[in-house]
Amino acid sequence: AIRMTQSPSSLSASPGDRVTITCRASQDLRGYLAWYQQKPGQAPKLLIYKTSTLQSGVPSRFSGSVSGTDSTLTITSLQSEDFATYYCQQYWSYPLTFGGGTKVEIK
Amino acid sequence: QAQLVESGGGVVQPGGSLRLSCAASGFKFSIYGIHWVRQSPGKGLEWVAALSYNGGSTYYADSVKDRFTISRDNSNNVAYLQMSSLRSDDTAVYFCAKDWEQGLTLDSWGQGTLVAVSS
Repeated sequence: AIRMTQSPSSLSASPGDRVTITCRASQDLRGYLAWYQQKPGQAPKLLIYKTSTLQSGVPSRFSGSVSGTDSTLTITSLQSEDFATYYCQQYWSYPLTFGGGTKVEIK
Repeated sequence: QAQLVESGGGVVQPGGSLRLSCAASGFKFSIYGIHWVRQSPGKGLEWVAALSYNGGSTYYADSVKDRFTISRDNSNNVAYLQMSSLRSDDTAVYFCAKDWEQGLTLDSWGQGTLVAVSS
């Protein structure tokens, strides 16, 4: 199974800050990497697929990129509604695997 | 818009069985794959199982292989997860989700149903 190592596991930030979350895959994903946002008591929500394509309705302050096996989710100018936990997911092969999650908290 | 509603969760003893249901509406159920993803209390997401649009292909996480069975009824727009030989580490909220045209990403999710394995 492809292993997804996400970092950091948590971070504290202020509204307006730029936040970066990284996900390292144990092998090349050929771009088949997605990001989800989950708020307490809710189901995850798809934000980005194919490394950098925003799902419909997702604000443009969210972006994704990749360098080798390291994928990055960036949130520019953090808004109050962005405080949540973020997960990466590879879909290059079964079994699908998620990163361990990054909780973004208010500083 | 797509809606998925899970049911069937509850408390079950170790070694017991439970069947979860996922009722779908608002989209053409028969052309999309269905997945089950679980989340143990306070933990991250773990993909559990997937079933192709026509039920012809199934995929499982090693942790549930040979204990869980995913199935679907396209005539009634419902998917199932039959769970047997349940263990305490199967305790989690179980979400069903659908994939879509952009590959095995999950664009719609249910609200989840809690399964607690306890004596």
